[in-house]
Amino acid sequence: DAGVIQSPRHEVTEMGQEVTLRCKPISGHDYLFWYRQTMMRGLELLIYFNNNVPIDDSGMPEDRFSAKMPNASFSTLKIQPSEPRDSAVYFCASSSGVAYNSPLHFGNGTRLTVT
Amino acid sequence: AQKVTQAQTEISVVEKEDVTLDCVYETRDTTYYLFWYKQPPSGELVFLIRRNSFDEQNEISGRYSWNFQKSTSSFNFTITASQVVDSAVYFCALIAERGGADGLTFGKGTHLIIQP
Repeated sequence: DAGVIQSPRHEVTEMGQEVTLRCKPISGHDYLFWYRQTMMRGLELLIYFNNNVPIDDSGMPEDRFSAKMPNASFSTLKIQPSEPRDSAVYFCASSSGVAYNSPLHFGNGTRLTVT
Repeated sequence: AQKVTQAQTEISVVEKEDVTLDCVYETRDTTYYLFWYKQPPSGELVFLIRRNSFDEQNEISGRYSWNFQKSTSSFNFTITASQVVDSAVYFCALIAERGGADGLTFGKGTHLIIQP
């Protein structure tokens, strides 16, 4: 079975540009999570969806960040406008149930660099 | 609030040595779950183990073993006879059942370097 698929693997952009990160969860998983990893803060939960509905976006740092899940097989995380401090690795993860009952399956991540 | 502390930022050992990665957690909940994930140089996060707060039995899986002690709020991970392929960043994580589907709280990770 294919795992969680993220694209692109690497993204380099200039400050002020819009960035869109994409995620395809594992088929049949009804929870989807977006995490951000930085050296300073480690892994932070940004937002998660259940059955395509955003449940908790309290981790989204600012209004510049937005996430959507238009269907069960696709989600996007958008940053507009991007800033250098957004540079990080962004992970998408999916699970078949609540996080304590079902392990999260992570994608390979998108390494974002904002210059 | 939940917190996971991995005090060892980086550990370097020579191949075949045993190594223990420490994890100390904080939670006010009585029902919670602990996890270990491995992040190899390729970058993905790989699930290793899940343990609930009512099961304090140690677990062994090949060269990997986990020691869960509620009395000290610790969930340590030992690799026996380490190999170069074990080199990775290892994360300990926690979630309380009351937290429902909320995401895991991760520690900062321990970078394990196995030298040949």
